[in-house]
Amino acid sequence: SQQGEEDPQALSIQEGENATMNCSYKTSINNLQWYRQNSGRGLVHLILIRSNEREKHSGRLRVTLDTSKKSSSLLITASRAADTASYFCATGGTGGFKTIFGAGTRLFVKA
Amino acid sequence: SQTIHQWPATLVQPVGSPLSLECTVEGTSNPNLYWYRQAAGRGLQLLFYSVGIGQISSEVPQNLSASRPQDRQFILSSKKLLLSDSGFYLCAWSQGAQETQYFGPGTRLLVL
Repeated sequence: SQQGEEDPQALSIQEGENATMNCSYKTSINNLQWYRQNSGRGLVHLILIRSNEREKHSGRLRVTLDTSKKSSSLLITASRAADTASYFCATGGTGGFKTIFGAGTRLFVKA
Repeated sequence: SQTIHQWPATLVQPVGSPLSLECTVEGTSNPNLYWYRQAAGRGLQLLFYSVGIGQISSEVPQNLSASRPQDRQFILSSKKLLLSDSGFYLCAWSQGAQETQYFGPGTRLLVL
């Protein structure tokens, strides 16, 4: 299926460390997005990277996309306790209209 | 600026009762609208999406339905709730297909 799969399912790190989350998908995509969700809240868009892009930055966030490996990674540098949340990748496939969300990675940053 | 509203925030309903969840968007026109359901600790399941007034696409056969009576209003309904309908319901909008989606705060539904 097109659906992205995040890895790891859960990640626990100390404040100040970097956090890396990975997303793999199976079909060709137009774009890939990363979202964040605090517990009990709606999702918040972080970054959209298009299929012809390899890397994008936004503040402490760095997203890479490798279309040959059908994978993406989200790096959060110098993590803070406030970064504790679930992170989802979402793919827009070339064969369809929809954006498909993965199951997410739960990040816990210990102060 | 654009905003999206969802209500109610929390709802406890008995099995067999009807359901109506409402979502409205402000500050944009002709948005794509989406209803998702999220089970506890899980990802998002797309239930319905709409590209225009009266245009609804259903992704998952179930006892839920959706309607879009106005350009910026999206309603999720059920005539008779099941226990399995419990979950966190999220409404979202985007300006185009596969573009950034903006989510509402969600409705937590508990069917007893």
